[in-house]
Amino acid sequence: DQQVKQNSPSLSVQEGRISILNCDYTNSMFDYFLWYKKYPAEGPTFLISISSIKDKNEDGRFTVFLNKSAKHLSLHIVPSQPGDSAVYFCAASMVSPGGKLIFGQGTELSVKP
Amino acid sequence: DTGVSQDPRHKITKRGQNVTFRCDPISEHNRLYWYRQTLGQGPEFLTYFQNEAQLEKSRLLSDRFSAERPKGSFSTLEIQRTEQGDSAMYLCASSLRGGDTEAFFGQGTRLTVV
Repeated sequence: DQQVKQNSPSLSVQEGRISILNCDYTNSMFDYFLWYKKYPAEGPTFLISISSIKDKNEDGRFTVFLNKSAKHLSLHIVPSQPGDSAVYFCAASMVSPGGKLIFGQGTELSVKP
Repeated sequence: DTGVSQDPRHKITKRGQNVTFRCDPISEHNRLYWYRQTLGQGPEFLTYFQNEAQLEKSRLLSDRFSAERPKGSFSTLEIQRTEQGDSAMYLCASSLRGGDTEAFFGQGTRLTVV
């Protein structure tokens, strides 16, 4: 049972444009949602998180939107840069941002110059 | 470097051999997690320690797998009688219980069973 789903395995955008990565979840008990970025042969690196009591969190070029009624969240990157090219994982936790994480399958973002 | 450290980075072993991986978390972090990631998938939870106590184990963790965190600091993950299906990236993460911060991941150990 895949509780966190990222249905797009890959996404390609032009440098300077917006990248939108999507994530759906099934368990309404999740309290925190996080996005991690991963380069090949490295561990995931934390990007941004959002609590279930919020619907938006922004950090520089990165914004995460949460729609609880739809059990959907999205990560917006504006403007996209070639260095953003990586695999992005959506993750959810029932406890805290530092708790046990349930990950989606990942979306590989390619930002072309 | 005060991040999460994993050793070795790569391990190639023959089927049937035992392997052990080590994880050194961030020093003040009392929570430690092991995850496994296979190609095309996200990391999957294996087990969780709070200090030296192993509080949760996934059903993915068969009886060939054992993890320890003897003094609440570093942790080891041992796989006995390795199988080709054990080939994966093994990731360790740590976080601070009671803190409202995310878990930090190590660079992982890539295991290849031949």
